[in-house]
Amino acid sequence: GEDVEQSLFLSVREGDSSVINCTYTDSSSTYLYWYKQEPGAGLQLLTYIFSNMDMKQDQRLTVLLNKKDKHLSLRIADTQTGDSAIYFCAERKGYSTLTFGKGTMLLVSP
Amino acid sequence: GAGVSQTPSNKVTEKGKYVELRCDPISGHTALYWYRQSLGQGPEFLIYFQGTGAADDSGLPNDRFFAVRPEGSVSTLKIQRTERGDSAVYLCASSLGPIATSGAGNEQFFGPGTRLTVL
Repeated sequence: GEDVEQSLFLSVREGDSSVINCTYTDSSSTYLYWYKQEPGAGLQLLTYIFSNMDMKQDQRLTVLLNKKDKHLSLRIADTQTGDSAIYFCAERKGYSTLTFGKGTMLLVSP
Repeated sequence: GAGVSQTPSNKVTEKGKYVELRCDPISGHTALYWYRQSLGQGPEFLIYFQGTGAADDSGLPNDRFFAVRPEGSVSTLKIQRTERGDSAVYLCASSLGPIATSGAGNEQFFGPGTRLTVL
């Protein structure tokens, strides 16, 4: 995951919004993804954004992409305790496979 | 089941031994991927199959690692002469089409992983 960087930890209170940030280095990335990983479970794709988009909204999730700064963010509205997990940012370069960040652990307290 | 399955869920072995890890992709998915996730890290790509052939094995760390997919469905990741540094969770994923199918993001569905511990 050396090409993709994320902050390691975020703590929020239930009902607040969470914002998880990610930076990537390859401007040729075509798709950027957010995955969620809960203990003992596989990676679950939350959402993705194509590189020619600035924003994508899907229910409580909002993805913002700043291609100039190579910055991606995931906003979770009305965060719930069930949102506690590790969130991975990943980039796909053209037709190659995924490069993941190290993950951000989100802890939601009641 | 409808998802990607991996067996065993846990494998403990001794340094120097040989191990095989199995992945059953979602039925009908032609693309299959292996990743390795070390503690505190994100998944790192190992190898990608399209059908029976390895389309990209650039992520395999050395020649102790090998993977096959003889009938284009189940895949086996094989590790020879295991080392303590091989300890990690090995993840398998599958997707409907080849990587070049880009219209819908070509979602990769992940299995729960095999936790390999080399003593």
